[in-house]
Amino acid sequence: KAGVTQTPRYLIKTRGQQVTLSCSPISGHRSVSWYQQTPGQGLQFLFEYFSETQRNKGNFPGRFSGRQFSNSRSEMNVSTLELGDSALYLCASSSDSFLLYEQYFGPGTRLTVT
Amino acid sequence: AQSVTQPDIHITVSEGASLELRCNYSYGATPYLFWYVQSPGQGLQLLLKYFSGDTLVQGIKGFEAEFKRSQSSFNLRKPSVHWSDAAEYFCAVLYILRTGTYKYIFGTGTRLKVLA
Repeated sequence: KAGVTQTPRYLIKTRGQQVTLSCSPISGHRSVSWYQQTPGQGLQFLFEYFSETQRNKGNFPGRFSGRQFSNSRSEMNVSTLELGDSALYLCASSSDSFLLYEQYFGPGTRLTVT
Repeated sequence: AQSVTQPDIHITVSEGASLELRCNYSYGATPYLFWYVQSPGQGLQLLLKYFSGDTLVQGIKGFEAEFKRSQSSFNLRKPSVHWSDAAEYFCAVLYILRTGTYKYIFGTGTRLKVLA
């Protein structure tokens, strides 16, 4: 079974631009979660989508948004990029709630904002 | 406010030695507790988790963790470390809120170096 895939793997954007990251979960998984990892703030939970609905959200500004499609693929969008948005963005999928089912992480998208 | 502390940023052990990584959390009720490992350039992999029941939890790769309510701790242990265990380890805590939503907090990580 293929793992979680994230595209692109690396991205360089300019401050003020917007960016869209994509995550394809493991086949059959309906829950997709997004995380931001930076040297300064560490790992932070962004949001979780389940069956096309946002089920939970971390403490991030509205510039960070996401969506999930009917095939469970998910996208994360960051508008009006700031230098501090430079980070590794990780996506994880699970069958349902990751309290009950293991989350599987993708390798991440490395975003650099200049 | 809820928080997770991993007091050791770096730990170095010799191959074959025992390992203990510390994790403390702050919360009134028992949270859900996780340990993850991240190898360089990789995503996270779940090592083990604790929700309830037996306070000693067995995980993958020979790791175990013990939940101690009195100390608000969930320390990760391995009796004999292998060179391939060199990685960064994250403790995470999930709190179910009254609204039915949850708050998921990660520690700052402990980077493990293994000497041959």
